[in-house]
Amino acid sequence: GDSVTQMEGPVTLSEEAFLTINCTYTATGYPSLFWYVQYPGEGLQLLLKATKADDKGSNKGFEATYRKETTSFHLEKGSVQVSDSAVYFCALSDSSGTYKYIFGTGTRLKVLA
Amino acid sequence: DAGVIQSPRHEVTEMGQEVTLRCKPISGHNSLFWYRQTMMRGLELLIYFNNNVPIDDSGMPEDRFSAKMPNASFSTLKIQPSEPRDSAVYFCASRLGGGLDEQFFGPGTRLTVL
Repeated sequence: GDSVTQMEGPVTLSEEAFLTINCTYTATGYPSLFWYVQYPGEGLQLLLKATKADDKGSNKGFEATYRKETTSFHLEKGSVQVSDSAVYFCALSDSSGTYKYIFGTGTRLKVLA
Repeated sequence: DAGVIQSPRHEVTEMGQEVTLRCKPISGHNSLFWYRQTMMRGLELLIYFNNNVPIDDSGMPEDRFSAKMPNASFSTLKIQPSEPRDSAVYFCASRLGGGLDEQFFGPGTRLTVL
């Protein structure tokens, strides 16, 4: 079945550092891809999404490009802030027709001042 | 809109007791999801409803878990009897339409079973 693999955390960075969180997927069809963010004590919030190959999703300085050839959707940000400290989840919408999401295990990011 | 509403936010109970978690989806959304989050297993989809009908309950761990959606504005997740290994944060999410639409998550219910 479809699956998502994302890099293990935690990731610790200094403020203004460059961020990359890797995400790769396996899917039999053509899924949509998502990044969700979870701040402490809260539910998940959509950060960005891409619905087809070569699409770039972007929001709040974060970007991710849907790469079909490498089955990847890596999350990047050029300059992180302390307020970006959270857990980041990569997800795809299952291509079997039910459109349920399959989430990665999450990557915890800690940004130090 | 108030977003997805879950209650209670925290629940502490003793092993063997019945636990009922409640969810009110965003008005007009026709899909509802229950998830469980633990450190060991991450975020797991338990059950998914579309237009109040259960579509996929393959993630429900065992018969002690049951979920209902009697109408478009209310859903429950029940655990009977509860066990310590059920301790987790349970999230409800709703979605307006199909797979390309965003899922909106509630704040979660933190369940502790002693």
